[in-house]
Amino acid sequence: DGGITQSPKYLFRKEGQNVTLSCEQNLNHDAMYWYRQDPGQGLRLIYYSQIVNDFQKGDIAEGYSVSREKKESFPLTVTSAQKNPTAFYLCASSTKLRTGLSKTSTDTQYFGPGTRLTVL
Amino acid sequence: AQSVTQPDIHITVSEGASLELRCNYSYGATPYLFWYVQSPGQGLQLLLKYFSGDTLVQGIKGFEAEFKRSQSSFNLRKPSVHWSDAAEYFCAVGRTNNQGGKLIFGQGTELSVKP
Repeated sequence: DGGITQSPKYLFRKEGQNVTLSCEQNLNHDAMYWYRQDPGQGLRLIYYSQIVNDFQKGDIAEGYSVSREKKESFPLTVTSAQKNPTAFYLCASSTKLRTGLSKTSTDTQYFGPGTRLTVL
Repeated sequence: AQSVTQPDIHITVSEGASLELRCNYSYGATPYLFWYVQSPGQGLQLLLKYFSGDTLVQGIKGFEAEFKRSQSSFNLRKPSVHWSDAAEYFCAVGRTNNQGGKLIFGQGTELSVKP
């Protein structure tokens, strides 16, 4: 079955530790995204990658890092610099963007099941 | 700046009643609009999307949404709600040029269904 997988489902971390969240997709999508979800705040974009070996900061990138060495994988590292890391983290992917003469189209994003990170 | 507002944080409807969830956006061009649904502890599932064309969009699970440019709205509707529709619903808008396929999400509306 095609889809997006995230692991682990639950993750506990002690303060001062770095942790890495996994995101894998077998949809052959070019673009991948990481979001953070907090109660009452919707989803906020952390990082995104439109192609292998390239990624850009989103709205709340401080304290996070990513890599995109393979098309199907986009791991997120939550570093000790992230002051309030307890949250629900969602990974998404979408097909390659099509660029028209005057605007860039937005392809549909498909989401993984999420990882709940708790800092103890 | 682009933004999405879902005015209702929490809505409760009776099973079998009709439903309308509101979504207003602020955007400088023709928007790409989406509705997603999230069950507790799960990821987001796409209900429907609007890119262009017919302003009334049909989605999965019996949902539909209507794009109204004059009102900057993209409200989600369902004629008869089922208990399994209880979840959180997010409206999202695609961002402008040169920002990739990024989405801006509303804060979500939590739907409860009374028996």
